[in-house]
Order: sequence, then structure tokens, then C-alpha cells
Amino acid sequence: AQSVTQLGSHVSVSEGALVLLRCNYSSSVPPYLFWYVQYPNQGLQLLLKYTTGATLVKGINGFEAEFKKSETSFHLTKPSAHMSDAAEYFCAVSGGGTSYGKLTFGQGTILTVHP
Amino acid sequence: NAGVTQTPKFQVLKTGQSMTLQCAQDMNHEYMSWYRQDPGMGLRLIHYSVGAGITDQGEVPNGYNVSRSTTEDFPLRLLSAAPSQTSVYFCASIPTAGQGNGYTFGSGTRLTVV
Repeated sequence: AQSVTQLGSHVSVSEGALVLLRCNYSSSVPPYLFWYVQYPNQGLQLLLKYTTGATLVKGINGFEAEFKKSETSFHLTKPSAHMSDAAEYFCAVSGGGTSYGKLTFGQGTILTVHP
Repeated sequence: NAGVTQTPKFQVLKTGQSMTLQCAQDMNHEYMSWYRQDPGMGLRLIHYSVGAGITDQGEVPNGYNVSRSTTEDFPLRLLSAAPSQTSVYFCASIPTAGQGNGYTFGSGTRLTVV
């Protein structure tokens, strides 16, 4: 079984400030971890992913995330927020092998960026 | 290359009606899935398919049927619509090779059951 918890359903930052969106997961197998972004009335777009190897992964739009196995965390960060980053962000986990297609999502975090 | 195409984009149904949400992908992906998105609950897996002729249930399968007769298409059928099925539905696909590439999502179908 696998699950994802995103800490904070709403996060508000000022433009230029650090963005930190928190994600903790549980998985009975080595996880594949993902962050997706959803802009209003659109589908989900992959920001970044962790499968194996380097634990610090870089994604699109300046976002990065670090896989910390000991903390079962995969927090998403961006050094300097931009107004265009305002969206809802979802953390997701899947198992490898034949289970990798079964994504389990967190409940989402809405990011607001203030001028 | 259209990616994942969902139709319709919007639909209003009366309780008890049936309908099919269409999903097609042109990337030759083996895996396809249906998710529903509800406020504060993220996305939950309804059904998925690992290839033509093979389907399986996800987390919330009740009230929905699927079939996969071709690699390209993965329709979702609501047998007898209920207000609890009011949601936004997303279809997604992923290739078997290159695991961990992440799903490609369609733009969604917003369904209201009255």
C-alpha cells in the first residue's frame, strides 16, 4: 500500500521568496515520486520525478525536489517565486515494476504568489 | 502529436442516465488510467489498463466500467449516474518502457450529475 500526505492545503508567498511545498509518502516498495502542477481548468503537467539515482532532482520552471528516504519526504522547492508559479501542486507516488502505473496522489497544495 | 484527448470537455447528466467518457492517445502508450479529481482529495484512481484487453480496478471503481479493445482508446462508462459522480475526470497514459517517465494527462472532462 502507498499513500501521500501534503502538508498545507494552501501556501502563500511573496514574489521572489522561497517556495517550499511539503510531501511525505509511505510505500512498501522503493517508490517512484512525482510532482505535478495544475493550472486552472487544465490537466496536470509533470514538474519533476525521482526514480533511482541522484536524490536531488531538477525539474522545469526552476523547481527541484530532494528524495530523503530516512524522512520519507520529497519536498518541492524553488528559490525565487514568480507570479506565474501560482497553481495547484500535487505530489504522487507509485511503486516500480508492474505497479508503477498506479499513482497515488496527495490532496494538493494551492500556491498563491503575492506581488 | 495530440497526446491524450478527452471528450467531451463538459457534460451535465440527470441521475440514472448513462454515458461514456472518451479517451484516446496517439503515443502508443501501453498503460492508460482514469482518475477523478475532487476538491481537497487530490486525484483518485478509478480503473487502469496495462494493455489492450487488460483492465483492473483502482481505488474508486464502483459505478464505472472500462474496456480496452485497442491500444489507443480507453473509454470510461458510467452505468447509472449519481450526484456523487459529479467530478472532474482525467485520463492519462504512460509507456511501459522508461518507467518513471510520468503520466501524460488529458485536459479533463467536467461532469455534473443533477
